Order: sequence, then structure tokens, then C-alpha cells
Amino acid sequence: AQTVTQSQPEMSVQEAETVTLSCTYDTSESNYYLFWYKQPPSRQMILVIRQEAYKQQNATENRFSVNFQKAAKSFSLKISDSQLGDTAMYFCAFMKSLAGGTSYGKLTFGQGTILTVHP
Amino acid sequence: DGGITQSPKYLFRKEGQNVTLSCEQNLNHDAMYWYRQDPGQGLRLIYYSQIVNDFQKGDIAEGYSVSREKKESFPLTVTSAQKNPTAFYLCASSGRVELQETQYFGPGTRLLVL
Repeated sequence: AQTVTQSQPEMSVQEAETVTLSCTYDTSESNYYLFWYKQPPSRQMILVIRQEAYKQQNATENRFSVNFQKAAKSFSLKISDSQLGDTAMYFCAFMKSLAGGTSYGKLTFGQGTILTVHP
Repeated sequence: DGGITQSPKYLFRKEGQNVTLSCEQNLNHDAMYWYRQDPGQGLRLIYYSQIVNDFQKGDIAEGYSVSREKKESFPLTVTSAQKNPTAFYLCASSGRVELQETQYFGPGTRLLVL
């Protein structure tokens, strides 16, 4: 079974600064996907960024980037130029890859990190 | 607009009552999922469905039931056998196009027990 651990229950950052959220996972699988989701106070789960384990290049999406260390089973999220709208709970999630083009995949979530951006 | 809708936003359940949460998607996604979120915690999978008329139990299926009669719809029934149903329920879907493994979520339903 896979486990996902987010060791920082809460983080805070000043507006315009950079913050890094940590995530580690445990799996015996070699092919998988990793995700960061954001849940603002509205509680809507919003995809932030996605990484395929077979890709060595770290994923980036505008101000969001990841540091994916496959051997260490680490998947941290860096938020640059933090904005007040980034205030949310952030979840790291793991999904095992499936063969045959099927679209199903079970997501395993970490416990989340509450990020507060201060003006 | 394409997306996932859930209704109602808030739902109150009396002791011994079954209640049904609605989830509809117009993204033409094959797979749909139900998750439960308890305060301050991550999401846990209740049920999932890969195709119409087929569904599988997730990690915490006891006290819940689902149906998948249409591709667009995946309702979740919280039965009286679920002894601690107070939680936030999220529906998600994923499809057979680019980023097929990525799950997209609805806005959620908060269930409270009276």
C-alpha cells in the first residue's frame, strides 16, 4: 500500500516571497503520478501541478514548480511570488500508473499543509 | 460550461435516515469517484466507477452505496448503517483524453447529522 506524508501541518509566508511545501511518499511501484491539489476556504479541490514519475524533468506551472526526487521519494512544491490567493490547504497525492489506457486511478492523499500568505 | 456539479451544498440527516448526494459531470469522463474528507484531514476513497453499470468499493465503503446508470451521473447514498456520516463529500471524474489520470473535483457536499 502507498502512503503519503506531509510533515508540515502549517506554513506561513509573506506576500511576494517564496515558500516550499514538503511531501514524501512510500511505494514499491516504479510507474506512478504525483499531484499537488489546493483547497481554499471554499473547499473546492483545485489541481495545482502534476508530475509523471518516468519524467526526470520537474513540472512547472507558472509560479508553481516541483522538486521531484524519485530515489528519495520526495515531491516538494515551491510557490514563487506568493499571493494572498494562494492561502489554502495543499494536498500531495499519489496515483499508481495503470496499463492499457484505462482512465481509473486511486488517489492516495497526504494529510495536508495549511498555507497562509500574509500581506 | 464543462464541469462537475454536486448537490445539495448542505445536507442534514436524521438518525436512521438514508440520504442521497448527487454528482453530475458533462466532461464526457469515463471514471467517477466519491471521496470523504473529515476535518483537518486528507481525502479517503469511498467508491469508484470506471464505466456505466460497474463500480468498485474503495477504502471506506461500509455504510455507503452507489449506482452508475448513466455516464454523467454517479449518486452516493449514505445509509443508516454509516454511524458517523458527518463529513465533507467530494465527487471527482477523470477521462480518456490528455491527462486522463488527472481527477477533477466538484464543489462538494457537507453532510451533517441532526
